[in-house]
Amino acid sequence: QAGLAQPPSVSYALGQTATLTCTGDSNNVGYEGASWLQHHQGHPPKLLWYRSNDRPSGISERFSASRSGSTTSLTITGLQPEDEADYYCSAWDRTISAHVFGGGTKLTVL
Amino acid sequence: VQLQQWGAGLLKPSETLSLTCAVYGGSFSAYHWTWIRQPPGKGLEWIGEITPSGRTNYNPSLKSRVTISKDTSNNQFSLKLTYVTAADTAVYYCARSVDGFDNWGQGTLVTVSS
Repeated sequence: QAGLAQPPSVSYALGQTATLTCTGDSNNVGYEGASWLQHHQGHPPKLLWYRSNDRPSGISERFSASRSGSTTSLTITGLQPEDEADYYCSAWDRTISAHVFGGGTKLTVL
Repeated sequence: VQLQQWGAGLLKPSETLSLTCAVYGGSFSAYHWTWIRQPPGKGLEWIGEITPSGRTNYNPSLKSRVTISKDTSNNQFSLKLTYVTAADTAVYYCARSVDGFDNWGQGTLVTVSS
């Protein structure tokens, strides 16, 4: 089944604000929104943002997300070296009754 | 909430992958429990979930080979994937699903090789 579309890689300078995008359609992102995960290789992924539009306890306020139609964006302010990671969006797709992931975006902090 | 998973890490083609995830803390019965995998060099792939009622939802591409079950009395849930091939080589994770995957197991590398 088709997944969600994410750019494979982005790069930003230390201290800058990064914006990562994730595009689906009206049956997934546009239906109930999307969650965001941060993944450092060798460790389990970490939830950064709930589909219900809220930040999990313990996640820095530097991470936030928004949605416009079928596109969701993750914003990371004041980029730190430890933000360098892979970022995934995920949504429930009502047409296939399954969760779908984006392909992931590798964020490089310069 | 802590999730601890285990299972065989090396399989031959056509064998059955079997993993179990134990949940410590929190309310096991109230949540959706999920299996996700990551093949080497690739992204995350959702395998399936089991709901509080015991209903299962599976990735359509794996549905014919996947079974997810749970043992509520022991706060555990399990994954079985039949007829594995090299394409099933991946790190497998168990996770809790609450508007997002908010708690994860440590991951298990499963390698399929003859």
